[in-house]
Amino acid sequence: DAKTTQPTSMDCAEGRAANLPCNHSTISGNEYVYWYRQIHSQGPQYIIHGLKNNETNEMASLIITEDRKSSTLILPHATLRDTAVYYCIHTGANSKLTFGKGITLSVRP
Amino acid sequence: ETGVTQSPTHLIKTRGQQVTLRCSSQSGHNTVSWYQQALGQGPQFIFQYYREEENGRGNFPPRFSGLQFPNYSSELNVNALELDDSALYLCASSLETPINYGYTFGSGTRLTVV
Repeated sequence: DAKTTQPTSMDCAEGRAANLPCNHSTISGNEYVYWYRQIHSQGPQYIIHGLKNNETNEMASLIITEDRKSSTLILPHATLRDTAVYYCIHTGANSKLTFGKGITLSVRP
Repeated sequence: ETGVTQSPTHLIKTRGQQVTLRCSSQSGHNTVSWYQQALGQGPQFIFQYYREEENGRGNFPPRFSGLQFPNYSSELNVNALELDDSALYLCASSLETPINYGYTFGSGTRLTVV
């Protein structure tokens, strides 16, 4: 199974940027990096994905290193509603998602 | 556009019973996956259906089975329930190629086996 490594938890102040790291050293050439988050009592929510290039959407930015072995999810201005478990996953198209334990982000007022 | 709808939201069953969980996919999605999430853990892949055929299965015993219907809605059936089957069951739908869209998850069914 495709595995990623994330810190267990981190916190940041409301309004500041939250930078969530992920190691995916076993990623293969045709696999994408996906980020999902899960707010308490809800299903996971897709955030962003990327292959090689950095990506940005209305929710976040994804920075992927040149060797593709790690990435960082950036929430530019964290709010209290961003408190959640964030999962980093690498997988091929149409493939299952292998979730680890994720990183718990706590945004403090 | 509607999201993924799961029913029921909560369920209590007795060990040894059978249960059926239901999922309505997001409009336009033709692939559905089911995941089991135990307390404090990440979701674990059970199986995936594409156009009514199972096209991937995780490490779950045969008493976990599923169906996908022509309208792309789906069912998860679990026979001979065990206490360890207590978990949040999540349904996720996607297009054939989720690369650009990711999976859309429902809010899940919380199953308690007593």
